[in-house]
Amino acid sequence: DAGVIQSPRHEVTEMGQEVTLRCKPISGHDYLFWYRQTMMRGLELLIYFNNNVPIDDSGMPEDRFSAKMPNASFSTLKIQPSEPRDSAVYFCASSPITRVGGAQYFGPGTRLLVL
Amino acid sequence: KQEVTQIPAALSVPEGENLVLNCSFTDSAIYNLQWFRQDPGKGLTSLLLIQSSQREQTSGRLNASLDKSSGRSTLYIAASQPGDSATYLCAVRNDYKLSFGAGTTVTVRA
Repeated sequence: DAGVIQSPRHEVTEMGQEVTLRCKPISGHDYLFWYRQTMMRGLELLIYFNNNVPIDDSGMPEDRFSAKMPNASFSTLKIQPSEPRDSAVYFCASSPITRVGGAQYFGPGTRLLVL
Repeated sequence: KQEVTQIPAALSVPEGENLVLNCSFTDSAIYNLQWFRQDPGKGLTSLLLIQSSQREQTSGRLNASLDKSSGRSTLYIAASQPGDSATYLCAVRNDYKLSFGAGTTVTVRA
């Protein structure tokens, strides 16, 4: 299996621009998670989906952030407009969570720098 | 809200020494606990997953224990090697959410 795929791997943009991050989960995984990692706050869960439906978006910092999952093999995280404080590493993870509990598998991340 | 703490924040040991990394969490109603490794500038690699009903898990030189009632987990790495140098993250799952510790950065000196 190719694992969780994220694109782009690096993104440099200017303040005010729209940024779209993409994720392809592992085939067959029912859950998809978006995380953000910064030095100050560590890893934070932004939003997660179950069977393409957003379940909990309480971690999304502001209305400037939005996420979609149009099908089981693709998700996007959009920031519009972007700000310098959005600079971070954004990870996507997927999981075949069962009743008992399953592991989460992370993608390589997208390193975002907003100037 | 689940709070996860990892001590120490950093650790430097000579090659061959055993490593002991600690993780504590405040809410014991967890589904499982997962240990990850993160190399600089890279993503997270899952090392071990312990279900809430288990006491430990082993994979090669790695052994993780879980004491759910006291809210603690320990990751042991035997006979450390320079290639073990990385940041190790502990994450606990409540419902469908993972809560992460800040990590322990390990340096193994050759």
